[in-house]
Amino acid sequence: GENVEQHPSTLSVQEGDSAVIKCTYSDSASNYFPWYKQELGKGPQLIIDIRSNVGEKKDQRIAVTLNKTAKHFSLHITETQPEDSAVYFCAASGSGGSNYKLTFGKGTLLTVNP
Amino acid sequence: DAGVIQSPRHEVTEMGQEVTLRCKPISGHNSLFWYRQTMMRGLELLIYFNNNVPIDDSGMPEDRFSAKMPNASFSTLKIQPSEPRDSAVYFCASSRTSGNIEQFFGPGTRLTVL
Repeated sequence: GENVEQHPSTLSVQEGDSAVIKCTYSDSASNYFPWYKQELGKGPQLIIDIRSNVGEKKDQRIAVTLNKTAKHFSLHITETQPEDSAVYFCAASGSGGSNYKLTFGKGTLLTVNP
Repeated sequence: DAGVIQSPRHEVTEMGQEVTLRCKPISGHNSLFWYRQTMMRGLELLIYFNNNVPIDDSGMPEDRFSAKMPNASFSTLKIQPSEPRDSAVYFCASSRTSGNIEQFFGPGTRLTVL
């Protein structure tokens, strides 16, 4: 089955700096890669996603890049703010008939220091 | 709009007791997921329903776990008998259709089995 590795497990940045979180996946047939943000005591919430026919996607201060050849994708947050502090999860979808199935990375605890 | 609703939010029980977790998906969504989140194993898919029918229960850890979806607006996850290693946060999520699309997570149920 799919295996998703996520790094780093913790990341501390100063307000205004950029943060980058990286993930690799194992199943070359995966074609959907969402990123979720989880705040303390809440469920994960989708912040951005990318599909395999696109190399990069941007939404205000958040961007995601995908390298299908290398099987890795990254989340970039620019001009970080204290409210960006949370746990971030990457995920990769299953392929074919299992495309409902998301395999999640172990998460990155991002702390933005004011 | 109401999101995914889960109850109870917290459950503390003793080993051997039956535990029932409840979920109300977003109206109009036809796919429902139950996940378990632990520090050791991260976020794992337990079972997936499409149009109230269980499609994939390969993630259900053992026969002590069962899930039902009697109608489009209600699902339960039952653990009988419960064990301390079942302690985790259980999330229900729903999506508009199956496949590569945003999953909306509920706030979770934190289960502690003593």
